[in-house]
Amino acid sequence: GEDVEQSLFLSVREGDSSVINCTYTDSSSTYLYWYKQEPGAGLQLLTYIFSNMDMKQDQRLTVLLNKKDKHLSLRIADTQTGDSAIYFCAERGNTPLVFGKGTRLSVIA
Amino acid sequence: ETGVTQSPTHLIKTRGQQVTLRCSSQSGHNTVSWYQQALGQGPQFIFQYYREEENGRGNFPPRFSGLQFPNYSSELNVNALELDDSALYLCASSPQGNTEAFFGQGTRLTVV
Repeated sequence: GEDVEQSLFLSVREGDSSVINCTYTDSSSTYLYWYKQEPGAGLQLLTYIFSNMDMKQDQRLTVLLNKKDKHLSLRIADTQTGDSAIYFCAERGNTPLVFGKGTRLSVIA
Repeated sequence: ETGVTQSPTHLIKTRGQQVTLRCSSQSGHNTVSWYQQALGQGPQFIFQYYREEENGRGNFPPRFSGLQFPNYSSELNVNALELDDSALYLCASSPQGNTEAFFGQGTRLTVV
């Protein structure tokens, strides 16, 4: 079945860049997504990339996709304390979104 | 603010009871999906409705059922509640073509 894997924790210093990585198994994935979840809240769509692209930039966010290796990453430039949250990678292929377990990003002031 | 609203925000039920959760989708969105997020896990797909018909279902038993109304709002019903049904239930709405899914704030269900 489809599977999405992420590392569980990442800790960075304020002002540094954060890179959150994700691997997926479904070769028929059409879109890949990054969502942010703050404590007690729902999911906020940050950005997404179509599977025939290899990079997308949106302000402080850069998404890189290596379709051959089925690897997706999210880079957050100039990480701020407000970026502390859980970040979910998700892929959409034949079914609606399949999520990873999330990466908890802690930003140290 | 996504424009997707869910009610109630929190709910406590007893094992064996039934529960109905509600979702108002974003204006213009005709597709609604429901997800279950257990503590410490990613969301798991329950089912999806498009124009009042179920058009996709995840690995959940039949006691999880749903409805979508002509205004595209939706309900999730769970019968015979079990302790493991305790989770955050998330509703997402999508426009035609389904590229982006916008989530509500969720309903936290606790089964005791």
